[in-house]
Amino acid sequence: AQSVAQPEDQVNVAEGNPLTVKCTYSVSGNPYLFWYVQYPNRGLQFLLKYITGDNLVKGSYGFEAEFNKSQTSFHLKKPSALVSDSALYFCAVYNNAGNMLTFGGGTRLMVKP
Amino acid sequence: ETGVTQSPTHLIKTRGQQVTLRCSSQSGHNTVSWYQQALGQGPQFIFQYYREEENGRGNFPPRFSGLQFPNYSSELNVNALELDDSALYLCASSRGGQILYEQYFGPGTRLTVT
Repeated sequence: AQSVAQPEDQVNVAEGNPLTVKCTYSVSGNPYLFWYVQYPNRGLQFLLKYITGDNLVKGSYGFEAEFNKSQTSFHLKKPSALVSDSALYFCAVYNNAGNMLTFGGGTRLMVKP
Repeated sequence: ETGVTQSPTHLIKTRGQQVTLRCSSQSGHNTVSWYQQALGQGPQFIFQYYREEENGRGNFPPRFSGLQFPNYSSELNVNALELDDSALYLCASSRGGQILYEQYFGPGTRLTVT
């Protein structure tokens, strides 16, 4: 079965510092991976996806993610964190047995001034 | 903000009752997916509707059912409500029947079952 794991419940970073939110995956076949962000009392917003091609994927709001096949990881990164980046981040993987997305449990990012 | 709207915003129901949640998709989108997000957890896929047909289903019992209308809006119906059905219900619209297309999420309906 396709699955993703987000090993950190919360990540704390100071404004201006680089941030990384971790995601590892377990799939049979080629992985199709996504990152979404959820702000309080809001639905999810799409950040980026990896389908094929370059291992470094660029997305919205200055975020990027690095696909690493040997480590089965798809970590979300940003060179310089903003206080407004504080939110809940979800990694997800496409599951073709059901044409569905399977989400991780989420990581809360706290960016402090 | 996306063009996806959901109603109602909040809902309180009693165990055993039935509930209907509604979703209007973004203009130009023909696919609606529904998710259940329990408190402190990631969203779980319920099902997807593409051109008025169910096009994928997660691990949810048959008392979770849905509809998609010719204008591509959608309903989620839950019968015989249980306490564990308390959650945020999210719908997402996209262009095309594959989940790989970018999904645009609505703000959700928070359902409380007492």
